[in-house]
Amino acid sequence: AQKITQTQPGMFVQEKEAVTLDCTYDTSDQSYGLFWYKQPSSGEMIFLIYQGSYDEQNATEGRYSLNFQKARKSANLVISASQLGDSAMYFCADRLGQTGANNLFFGTGTRLTVIP
Amino acid sequence: DAGVTQSPTHLIKTRGQQVTLRCSPKSGHDTVSWYQQALGQGPQFIFQYYEEEERQRGNFPDRFSGHQFPNYSSELNVNALLLGDSALYLCASSLEPDIAGGSGEKLFFGSGTQLSVL
Repeated sequence: AQKITQTQPGMFVQEKEAVTLDCTYDTSDQSYGLFWYKQPSSGEMIFLIYQGSYDEQNATEGRYSLNFQKARKSANLVISASQLGDSAMYFCADRLGQTGANNLFFGTGTRLTVIP
Repeated sequence: DAGVTQSPTHLIKTRGQQVTLRCSPKSGHDTVSWYQQALGQGPQFIFQYYEEEERQRGNFPDRFSGHQFPNYSSELNVNALLLGDSALYLCASSLEPDIAGGSGEKLFFGSGTQLSVL
C-alpha cells in the first residue's frame, strides 16, 4: 500500500530565495519511484522531477532538485532562485505498483506562493 | 507538437445523469490514464487504457467506465452521477507501460474537464 504525506498545506517564499517542499512516503515495495508535479491555476499537471529508489544520486532538473533520504522515507523538493511563475500547487507522487505501469498515487499537495 | 487535449473544459450535469469526457493523447503516445481530482485533493487514479483495453484500475465503482479508440484517443463515461462526482477530471498520456519498465516515464497531463453535478 502506498501513502504520500505532504504536511505543508501552504508555503510562502521571497522571490529569488530557495524553498523546500516536504514529502514523506510509505510503501511496501522494494522498487519505487517518486515524482513531483506542479499544477498552476490552469489545472494542467506539469512534471518537474523523478527519483528512482535505486538511484544513487539525488535528482536535479534545472532549478529543481530532490533531497532524497531513503532511510527517513523523505523526498523533499528544493526550488532554487524562486520566480513569480513558481506560484502553484505542488504534488508529490509515488508510482503505483512495481511493474512498468507508470500510474501515480498523489499526496494532497502544497500551495506555494512567491512574494515579489 | 500537440499536447494532451481534453473536451469539454467545463460541464454541468444533474444527479442521475450520464456524462462522457474525451481525451486525445500527446502525439506519439499510445497509453491513456484518467484521474479524478476533488477540490483540495491530489488526483486519484481511475484507470488506464492501452491497446483499447483497460490495463489497470483504481478504486472506483463500475459507474466509471472507459474506452480507447484505434487512434489512441479515449473517453471516460460516468453513469448515475452523484454529487460527489463533482471534480476536475484529468487525462494523462504516456508510452506503453512495459517499455517504461519503471524507469520514471513521465505522464503528460491535459488541463482537465471540470465537472459539476447539481
